[in-house]
Amino acid sequence: AQRVTQPEKLLSVFKGAPVELKCNYSYSGSPELFWYVQYSRQRLQLLLRHISRESIKGFTADLNKGETSFHLKKPFAQEEDSAMYYCALIASGTYKYIFGTGTRLKVLA
Amino acid sequence: EPEVTQTPSHQVTQMGQEVILRCVPISNHLYFYWYRQILGQKVEFLVSFYNNEISEKSEIFDDQFSVERPDGSNFTLKIRSTKLEDSAMYFCASMMAGAPQYFGPGTRLLVL
Repeated sequence: AQRVTQPEKLLSVFKGAPVELKCNYSYSGSPELFWYVQYSRQRLQLLLRHISRESIKGFTADLNKGETSFHLKKPFAQEEDSAMYYCALIASGTYKYIFGTGTRLKVLA
Repeated sequence: EPEVTQTPSHQVTQMGQEVILRCVPISNHLYFYWYRQILGQKVEFLVSFYNNEISEKSEIFDDQFSVERPDGSNFTLKIRSTKLEDSAMYFCASMMAGAPQYFGPGTRLLVL
């Protein structure tokens, strides 16, 4: 079955510290993977997609097919990064997202 | 930048009543979606809609749910007879083929 796992419900880091939000997926084919961010009281916004290999707001994520992971990383967290982060996949041949349960990132001053 | 909009932002209804949640997708998008997020839980796929018909639906999307694109701009989700467990945030999303989905701000539905 297709599944996205985000093991941490809450991650607290100090400003300037590195941050890594974990995401593991279960899918037998080649999924397309995304990170979405939801700031307080705002809509879900696309942060990253693995095929574009961009760095957005200092965040990067590398798809590791061997470990079936797509962890989100940032070397120096900022207070404005505090938000809910969702990892999601789209299985090939479909256009529906399967979301992880989300990780709340709190960046402390 | 164009955005997906949703109305109302909040809806309170009595159990057994019908509700219609409205969405205006981005105008040149072709695929439309509804998702649900029960408080404290993950975002769950409900239904996808393309070419004026449902393309996929989840097991949550039972006979009490229906979707419609009545006029080429709005995309609605109807819940025929609401239950307490329908209380959730409902998100609409739209996309072009091969592109990421763009989400609306959500409608918070409370069933009493």
